[in-house]
Amino acid sequence: AQSVAQPEDQVNVAEGNPLTVKCTYSVSGNPYLFWYVQYPNRGLQFLLKYITGDNLVKGSYGFEAEFNKSQTSFHLKKPSALVSDSALYFCAVSLSTPKIIFGSGTRLSIRP
Amino acid sequence: DADVTQTPRNRITKTGKRIMLECSQTKGHDRMYWYRQDPGLGLRLIYYSFDVKDINKGEISDGYSVSRQAQAKFSLSLESAIPNQTALYFCATSAEGPAYETQYFGPGTRLLVL
Repeated sequence: AQSVAQPEDQVNVAEGNPLTVKCTYSVSGNPYLFWYVQYPNRGLQFLLKYITGDNLVKGSYGFEAEFNKSQTSFHLKKPSALVSDSALYFCAVSLSTPKIIFGSGTRLSIRP
Repeated sequence: DADVTQTPRNRITKTGKRIMLECSQTKGHDRMYWYRQDPGLGLRLIYYSFDVKDINKGEISDGYSVSRQAQAKFSLSLESAIPNQTALYFCATSAEGPAYETQYFGPGTRLLVL
């Protein structure tokens, strides 16, 4: 069965520092990978996705993610964190159907 | 997103009551989904519909039913609510296409079952 793991419940970073939110997956086949962000009292918003090709995917708000097939990872990164990046981040995977399997979420907290 | 709306936004009900959560979308998408979100568990798929005549169970459909009244409307019902159905419920839509189509989410309905 396909699954997604986000090993950190919370990540704390100082404003201006680089941030990484980790995601690993377990699937048989070639996955499509997503990152979504949830701000307080809002629905999930799409950030970026990996389909095929270049392993480095750029998305909204300066975020990027690197697909690593050998390590089955899709970590979310940003070179310089902003306080406004504080939110709940979800990694997700899809295979051959539009059904998406979500990770448990990582709360990102950026301190001024 | 305003393109996907959910009503009500908050609901308190009692055990055994029947309730309906409604979702409407103006994105023109054929595919619609219902998820529930629980702390530490992420989002889990309850039901999904690829068009008006196509409805499918997700991983946690027990205790829930759905109705796809039109392309733009997809309702979730709890026939007899129980406390462990207390959660945040999200509706989502996506265009017809491959498995990497982006999903667009509504703002959520927070449900408390007493």
